[in-house]
Amino acid sequence: GAGVSQSPRYKVAKRGQDVALRCDPISGHVSLFWYQQALGQGPEFLTYFQNEAQLDKSGLPSDRFFAERPEGSVSTLKIQRTQQEDSAVYLCASSLRRWDAGQPQHFGDGTRLSIL
Amino acid sequence: AQTVTQSQPEMSVQEAETVTLSCTYDTSESDYYLFWYKQPPSRQMILVIRQEAYKQQNATENRFSVNFQKAAKSFSLKISDSQLGDAAMYFCAYRSAWGSGGSNYKLTFGKGTLLTVNP
Repeated sequence: GAGVSQSPRYKVAKRGQDVALRCDPISGHVSLFWYQQALGQGPEFLTYFQNEAQLDKSGLPSDRFFAERPEGSVSTLKIQRTQQEDSAVYLCASSLRRWDAGQPQHFGDGTRLSIL
Repeated sequence: AQTVTQSQPEMSVQEAETVTLSCTYDTSESDYYLFWYKQPPSRQMILVIRQEAYKQQNATENRFSVNFQKAAKSFSLKISDSQLGDAAMYFCAYRSAWGSGGSNYKLTFGKGTLLTVNP
């Protein structure tokens, strides 16, 4: 079956523009995570969805970041009024069940965002 | 809050030899999971191996094994018979076993170790 799919793979935007990054999780996966990976660093948690409910958004850096998953499948991460410090790879991950912390998270290839 | 430390930014190994990547973590919890992920240049993060904190036995997956020392909060990855395809960035990650609403199920990553395999 298909893995986690993210689009676009690369995105270049001018400072101040809005961007939208898309994540298609593995079909049937309940949990969906977004991570931000700065150059040379490990991924850092942004937000978590369980089906359509956003249960944790504690990692979102500012109110310019917004994520949604309206039908419990595809998710979109939106960044408004982009800043240079937003440049990073944005990774999406999904996992099958809600309450099993031992299950692996399956990652997409990420979207590399560059803000000029 | 939990933290994960990988003290080796870069490591290299000769093909067919063995290499060990280090990871330490800090937590006050007793029940958690530890993971090693591999990230090739293509960027897709791939799970290498997983360890449950309440299990004494060290996890093994083919050429990959871990040395889990719970008291020392250490979780090293050993790669035996290294292959060219093992070259990648390796991340150690921590995940709480319990939490309401799934909020503790996020992964906390170290900064990674870049592994080079020399032919």
